[in-house]
Amino acid sequence: GAVVSQHPSRVICKSGTSVKIECRSLDFQATTMFWYRQFPKQSLMLMATSNEGSKATYEQGVEKDKFLINHASLTLSTLTVTSAHPEDSSFYICSASETGTDTQYFGPGTRLTVL
Amino acid sequence: EDKVVQSPLSLVVHEGDTVTLNCSYEVTNFRSLLWYKQEKKAPTFLFMLTSSGIEKKSGRLSSILDKKELFSILNITATQTGDSAIYLCAVSSGGYQKVTFGIGTKLQVIP
Repeated sequence: GAVVSQHPSRVICKSGTSVKIECRSLDFQATTMFWYRQFPKQSLMLMATSNEGSKATYEQGVEKDKFLINHASLTLSTLTVTSAHPEDSSFYICSASETGTDTQYFGPGTRLTVL
Repeated sequence: EDKVVQSPLSLVVHEGDTVTLNCSYEVTNFRSLLWYKQEKKAPTFLFMLTSSGIEKKSGRLSSILDKKELFSILNITATQTGDSAIYLCAVSSGGYQKVTFGIGTKLQVIP
């Protein structure tokens, strides 16, 4: 089955630092990857859609200069939270769609805590 | 704006009961409807539905889509405590693989 990995699974950092989260599709090529954020007891909120080799499309209200997305290859997308603040603490989940399909397969998520 | 509405928001049943979870949607350029199960971490894929009236089945879980009435149901028969989770419905629309998620139905199965 389609497997998506995320690294790290958990990160704690100080306010003002930047954090990079990696999302990899392990056994398929993903033209499109998605980044979500989930706060406690809330549903998934799409932050941005990234397509390999082009700029990411950000959802309304998501700052593109704060959440930098790079989709350099068909199996890797990265999300960098720049100058993180405590309000950025959340569960960040990526998903990937195999080229030509709609089904998204999710990574295990990254729990970010900003002190 | 695309919308996906799930009901009920929360459900508590006893082991062995059958449950039906509902998902209705309003989107532009519908492509497919997806069901996911979310336990403690990230969601796991259950079904993708694209055609009306064709039931997808996996063990005790089944789902069907009605594209005329714009809804889908997810059935779970003979529920077990391991079925306790949040069940998410999502709809893919447009040409850019845009997916809109519902808020989820929290199912709790008690022994």
